[in-house]
Amino acid sequence: SQTIHQWPATLVQPVGSPLSLECTVEGTSNPNLYWYRQAAGRGLQLLFYSVGIGQISSEVPQNLSASRPQDRQFILSSKKLLLSDSGFYLCAWRDGYNQPQHFGDGTRLSIL
Amino acid sequence: RKEVEQDPGPFNVPEGATVAFNCTYSNSASQSFFWYRQDCRKEPKLLMSVYSSGNEDGRFTAQLNRASQYISLLIRDSKLSDSATYLCVVLSGYALNFGKGTSLLVTP
Repeated sequence: SQTIHQWPATLVQPVGSPLSLECTVEGTSNPNLYWYRQAAGRGLQLLFYSVGIGQISSEVPQNLSASRPQDRQFILSSKKLLLSDSGFYLCAWRDGYNQPQHFGDGTRLSIL
Repeated sequence: RKEVEQDPGPFNVPEGATVAFNCTYSNSASQSFFWYRQDCRKEPKLLMSVYSSGNEDGRFTAQLNRASQYISLLIRDSKLSDSATYLCVVLSGYALNFGKGTSLLVTP
């Protein structure tokens, strides 16, 4: 069966520091991969999605970037974090055109 | 107009009640529809897909009206454990568009 791993679960970072969040999927090949952010009390905001290795689509211009170095690995990065980057970051995968997404456990990021 | 719109609630209902959530979407070419459930400080989890003919899973019934671009979720015999935020999700192309969710609180 397919599983998704996302880490770390919680992260506290100072303003201006770099960020790297990692997500891996097991049990499937060539999944669609997604990064979302959810601010406190708000809806899900799609940040990036990828339909294949090296293919990244950005939904929201900002100081974040994403990379997909391997088929089942999706990384969210930033060179310099802002206070507004605080939130709940969720990785998700989807397998097939009309299939639902499945989410990782999420990373709760606090910027100080 | 937002892609997916939901009444944010909160809906406060007693145990055993029937409650219905509605959702409208703007893209008439949307292909697939889902309801997710999100507990506080947790990731969203798939509750059920929504099929054109309507579908039922235990106490949960989902309906789709493509002509009106409208989706509904009915929960019968509400349980305390049903308390959560319910997200309406619409697939358009590669991206799934999430509503902001409807908050449900089931009380004893």
